[in-house]
Amino acid sequence: AQSVTQLDSQVPVFEEAPVELRCNYSSSVSVYLFWYVQYPNQGLQLLLKYLSGSTLVKGINGFEAEFNKSQTSFHLRKPSVHISDTAEYFCAVRGANAGGTSYGKLTFGQGTILTVHP
Amino acid sequence: KAGVTQTPRYLIKTRGQQVTLSCSPISGHRSVSWYQQTPGQGLQFLFEYFSETQRNKGNFPGRFSGRQFSNSRSEMNVSTLELGDSALYLCASSFIGPRLASTDTQYFGPGTRLTVL
Repeated sequence: AQSVTQLDSQVPVFEEAPVELRCNYSSSVSVYLFWYVQYPNQGLQLLLKYLSGSTLVKGINGFEAEFNKSQTSFHLRKPSVHISDTAEYFCAVRGANAGGTSYGKLTFGQGTILTVHP
Repeated sequence: KAGVTQTPRYLIKTRGQQVTLSCSPISGHRSVSWYQQTPGQGLQFLFEYFSETQRNKGNFPGRFSGRQFSNSRSEMNVSTLELGDSALYLCASSFIGPRLASTDTQYFGPGTRLTVL
């Protein structure tokens, strides 16, 4: 079984400032990690994912995240945010078997509401 | 390619009624998963279907059921609705290759917002 903890429920930040949204996970098996964004009244959009390889992954809209296996973390960062980044962000984990085939169940964190102020 | 579509987008029902929600995956995607999103519980996995078979199920009562058709479209049904079933129900599809290797990306639809009065 897996669990995900997003350490901040709300993060206010000024436009053009850097931001970090924190995510820690717990799992007894190897995992794949994801960050999704949800704008009001919409579904979830994938920002980036870590499957294997380089621990620094880059995603859409200038976001990046770093997988740290020893600290079981997958924090999301953006060096300079825009008003349009205001949304709710979800960290998610999925168990992966040894062959690399993953299973369908995503376990999500509780979400972090990012509010960018002008 | 068209994205994941869900119908209807909004639904209002009363306690005790039943409801059926529909999801059409991205063309070529054979796996469909369902999630419930509420302010209190967040995003919770309901079930996953692949090749018309349920292959994973979350911790929900038996009132929640689903199925998948041969064209990969999926429906979920909730019987005897309770107030607590009010939520955004999200469907996600993913591609499963011939060796059952997943691309690991689930693409989400816009959701169906169910309100139970």
